[in-house]
Amino acid sequence: EVQLVESGGGLVQPGGSLRLSCAASGFTFTSYGMSWVRQAPGKGLEWVSTITGSGGGTYYADYVKGRFIISRDNSKNTLFLQMNSLRAEDSAIYYCAKCPQGYCSSAPFVDYWGQGTLVTVSS
Amino acid sequence: EIVMTQSPATLSVSPGERATLSCRASQSVSTNLAWYQQKPGQAPRLLIYGASTRAAGIPARFSGSGSGTEFTLTISSLQSEDFAVYYCQQYSSWPPKPFGQGTKVEMK
Repeated sequence: EVQLVESGGGLVQPGGSLRLSCAASGFTFTSYGMSWVRQAPGKGLEWVSTITGSGGGTYYADYVKGRFIISRDNSKNTLFLQMNSLRAEDSAIYYCAKCPQGYCSSAPFVDYWGQGTLVTVSS
Repeated sequence: EIVMTQSPATLSVSPGERATLSCRASQSVSTNLAWYQQKPGQAPRLLIYGASTRAAGIPARFSGSGSGTEFTLTISSLQSEDFAVYYCQQYSSWPPKPFGQGTKVEMK
């Protein structure tokens, strides 16, 4: 059974940093691209970042480019999102999401989602 | 840029009835379309990909159809657990495209 368990969310001041983690199990982690997708309170879903199975390729949405860094540790089946220079508009539930193929670019949809971790940026 | 439009915004249906949700693309996306279900306080769940293929574990009452620019998600006989928000998402090209704005299926 595929399981994705996020952690690391919380309350942070504007300009601050947070590091999200996602522990994956139930599938061969290195074989699949992974993503972060977020959802602001009462709003829709929006892509944040993706990374290939090997970790060699990454993508960032324009609204986080230069501030967020996606990475993965395939030896520990863990996905990360380092979030810097946080803004109020980054407040959202952040979902860890599995792509159905090794390159998310081949089929950019999500076949499994984690339960999400809440990030609140406020002073 | 391809724009996805879901309709209606809210659909009021009685349990046991059929629900039909629409998703329209501003230009052809072939069959590169997925549907997701999101219940309050829960993560989304993949229902349909390839416009008509049910994801693992999805009940047969959910079906997807369409190609090109017009897509439909049908719930043949609505169960109480089906009241939720449904999103469509086209994935015909990279980078990943925004999810639709969603259709809320509520109890009539």
